[in-house]
Amino acid sequence: QKEVEQNSGPLSVPEGAIASLNCTYSDRGSQSFFWYRQYSGKSPELIMSIYSNGDKEDGRFTAQLNKASQYVSLLIRDSQPSDSATYLCAAASGGSYIPTFGRGTSLIVHP
Amino acid sequence: SAVISQKPSRDICQRGTSLTIQCQVDSQVTMMFWYRQQPGQSLTLIATANQGSEATYESGFVIDKFPISRPNLTFSTLTVSNMSPEDSSIYLCSVEWAENSGNTIYFGEGSWLTVV
Repeated sequence: QKEVEQNSGPLSVPEGAIASLNCTYSDRGSQSFFWYRQYSGKSPELIMSIYSNGDKEDGRFTAQLNKASQYVSLLIRDSQPSDSATYLCAAASGGSYIPTFGRGTSLIVHP
Repeated sequence: SAVISQKPSRDICQRGTSLTIQCQVDSQVTMMFWYRQQPGQSLTLIATANQGSEATYESGFVIDKFPISRPNLTFSTLTVSNMSPEDSSIYLCSVEWAENSGNTIYFGEGSWLTVV
């Protein structure tokens, strides 16, 4: 059974700090990885996708992928209170783009 | 990315009744999916809505409980039948969207159902 594991948190960081969110996945055939942000009462919003080993940066967000360790992370630099949300990690296998989702990590950025 | 609209956005339903959720996409898409997110839980795939044929259901979900229609490449409906309080959940329509780097799943705004 394909699984994506995340620490449920909450992860609490001060404003301006780097928030580090981690995720592991069980299916070695996974080839596509996603981070979604979900505010309370809202639907998930895609913030990053990553498909190859290494880092991918987009503004304040950096996704890191290590397929050998089956590990994906999301770094949020200069964290803002508006970043407070649940972050969902997802992984999809090659040939099927239907991702399996983790349960999400709650991030709280306090002023 | 595609713009995905769902309605109703929120509803309170009586036990034993059924409710149909509509999903409209502003572009033609091949793959449409329905997810459920129960309180405090992650997203669970209910089914893939196939255009012109029966939906493909995931383990634990059946057509009698969650009938799905997909009459064309921009529209789908999910019905939650004979509802019980356990069906209180967020129901999310999603589409697969091809981008330069790869295919990605985008979600509609969701339909928040409370069964009383």
